[in-house]
Amino acid sequence: DVKVTQSSRYLVKRTGEKVFLECVQDMDHENMFWYRQDPGLGLRLIYFSYDVKMKEKGDIPEGYSVSREKKERFSLILESASTNQTSMYLCASSYHRTGQPQHFGDGTRLSIL
Amino acid sequence: GDSVTQMEGPVTLSEEAFLTINCTYTATGYPSLFWYVQYPGEGLQLLLKATKADDKGSNKGFEATYRKETTSFHLEKGSVQVSDSAVYFCARAYNTDKLIFGTGTRLQVFP
Repeated sequence: DVKVTQSSRYLVKRTGEKVFLECVQDMDHENMFWYRQDPGLGLRLIYFSYDVKMKEKGDIPEGYSVSREKKERFSLILESASTNQTSMYLCASSYHRTGQPQHFGDGTRLSIL
Repeated sequence: GDSVTQMEGPVTLSEEAFLTINCTYTATGYPSLFWYVQYPGEGLQLLLKATKADDKGSNKGFEATYRKETTSFHLEKGSVQVSDSAVYFCARAYNTDKLIFGTGTRLQVFP
């Protein structure tokens, strides 16, 4: 089975802190994704990476950056956390082929105080 | 633009009732379609998928048929269980690698 592991299930940080969310997948997938999930809004794509050191902005990239130095690892960075970034963050991975499903981690519930 | 629309929840059913969760999409061409399920405190799990018109995806008693003529992919199950209580997301593929998700439908099943 595909395993996508997010480093923390729950995280509490303070406004202005730099926050790192880590994600690792074990299936040699080319693609990796970061979403945030908010009630009534579903999942919104923050950033997408299709290869090492390659990234593409999603629908809501403002206030976030990403890093992909190795194929299996994709990091989401909140440069200066703000309270409106309190959310559930989901990482996913997939093969780079048409119609492939994405496989998700268990999510990180991040609270910014 | 491209979108996925799901019926709003919550959907509340008694155990063994029949389930339908509606999903419609906008698209050009024939995008792959998916249903995901999210149990409390967990990430999304792929429930089923269909890749072309008239395909039927099925898993764990759930089914959905890719209807090109009505641009729909409704999720059905003949007899729900309490353990099916979760949030269900419909999604369609776009730009090869990405997915567009609906806003999710919460299902609550009572004994």
